[in-house]
Amino acid sequence: DTGVSQNPRHKITKRGQNVTFRCDPISEHNRLYWYRQTLGQGPEFLTYFQNEAQLEKSRLLSDRFSAERPKGSFSTLEIQRTEQGDSAMYLCASSQSGQYYGYTFGSGTRLTVV
Amino acid sequence: AQSVSQHNHHVILSEAASLELGCNYSYGGTVNLFWYVQYPGQHLQLLLKYFSGDPLVKGIKGFEAEFIKSKFSFNLRKPSVQWSDTAEYFCAVSGYGGSQGNLIFGKGTKLSVKP
Repeated sequence: DTGVSQNPRHKITKRGQNVTFRCDPISEHNRLYWYRQTLGQGPEFLTYFQNEAQLEKSRLLSDRFSAERPKGSFSTLEIQRTEQGDSAMYLCASSQSGQYYGYTFGSGTRLTVV
Repeated sequence: AQSVSQHNHHVILSEAASLELGCNYSYGGTVNLFWYVQYPGQHLQLLLKYFSGDPLVKGIKGFEAEFIKSKFSFNLRKPSVQWSDTAEYFCAVSGYGGSQGNLIFGKGTKLSVKP
């Protein structure tokens, strides 16, 4: 198992463009989480899935953000009409429900909106 | 509101010095507590966790943390730091029980260890 994989590692986009990130969790993990981290801050929760169901969304997740996990495996996070304030590291993590061993994080996707 | 406060933004120590990083939380109800570490250029890794039982928790690489419920604290300690401990350390809290959907992180403490 290679851990949690995120692609791309870096993304530079122009303001107003749409971007999509992908996360592949550890295969036996049924929970998948998205976090956002900006400079000088800890990770901030965005949303999480248990299997294909999106169970919780943060108020940080505006209407321009959407996340999916269609088959309960990989997940995508899309940001529409990007703004400069969206520039951040987007982190994905996975875990197994019922036995809380803590999350396994991916290396993140760094988004820069210019 | 639920929150985690880490007292120090940046700590600079010499090798072999003792380390204590403060963490206080505000959370209604029983909690799970975590310390994560992020080495330069690497992803977040779990250092140690507390769910229940012995409030003194031992983690990897000689780290330990003590949960003091009356003080809402979960401070991280290491008796003797090494240059390789240079990293950013994050304290985090979640609710206890089945719906652990959401970890709340502190802002992190950057530790620099001088050789």
